[in-house]
Amino acid sequence: DAMVIQNPRYQVTQFGKPVTLSCSQTLNHNVMYWYQQKSSQAPKLLFHYYDKDFNNEADTPDNFQSRRPNTSFCFLDIRSPGLGDAAMYLCATSSNRGRLDEQFFGPGTRLTVL
Amino acid sequence: GQQLNQSPQSMFIQEGEDVSMNCTSSSIFNTWLWYKQDPGEGPVLLIALYKAGELTSNGRLTAQFGITRKDSFLNISASIPSDVGIYFCAGSTGTASKLTFGTGTRLQVTL
Repeated sequence: DAMVIQNPRYQVTQFGKPVTLSCSQTLNHNVMYWYQQKSSQAPKLLFHYYDKDFNNEADTPDNFQSRRPNTSFCFLDIRSPGLGDAAMYLCATSSNRGRLDEQFFGPGTRLTVL
Repeated sequence: GQQLNQSPQSMFIQEGEDVSMNCTSSSIFNTWLWYKQDPGEGPVLLIALYKAGELTSNGRLTAQFGITRKDSFLNISASIPSDVGIYFCAGSTGTASKLTFGTGTRLQVTL
């Protein structure tokens, strides 16, 4: 089945220790998104790639970076995680060959910062 | 950023009951989406709506795109325990492929 895969599902890091979360997709979608979701809140968009074009949200801290080496993979790098960065991180995809609005989410990575 | 207001915030219902929830906005959207999120999982797309007044069903779920384009409604008929979760609405203006999410409705079902 075509899907959005996130690894790992659970990640524990130490305060200030860089961490990378990964997302891959077999949907061949050209748009990939990273969201941060804190407990019982709506997902908050951090940035997205439209093909190779990177689009950062204005209020995304510089501490968050992203890489998209190819169509299938996208990474979220947190350079110096703080306690406030503990959250669920969601990757999503959509395609301009279908309805661009319809975003398909992965299962998420829950990040714990000690 | 803007958030959509969802109502109710949470609800307890008995198995077999019908459920209604809604989502309202101060601005117009061209697309409305409804997602369900189980604990510890990512949101799953349930229904997408593209035209004002549109009524769309997916099994026991029915959603409507409000005529004013500022609201949407989701109904679940004959609820079952696996309906438990958080339901998010999301709106799109169709530009920049961004979604504006609602505040969520937490559904809990009692047996």
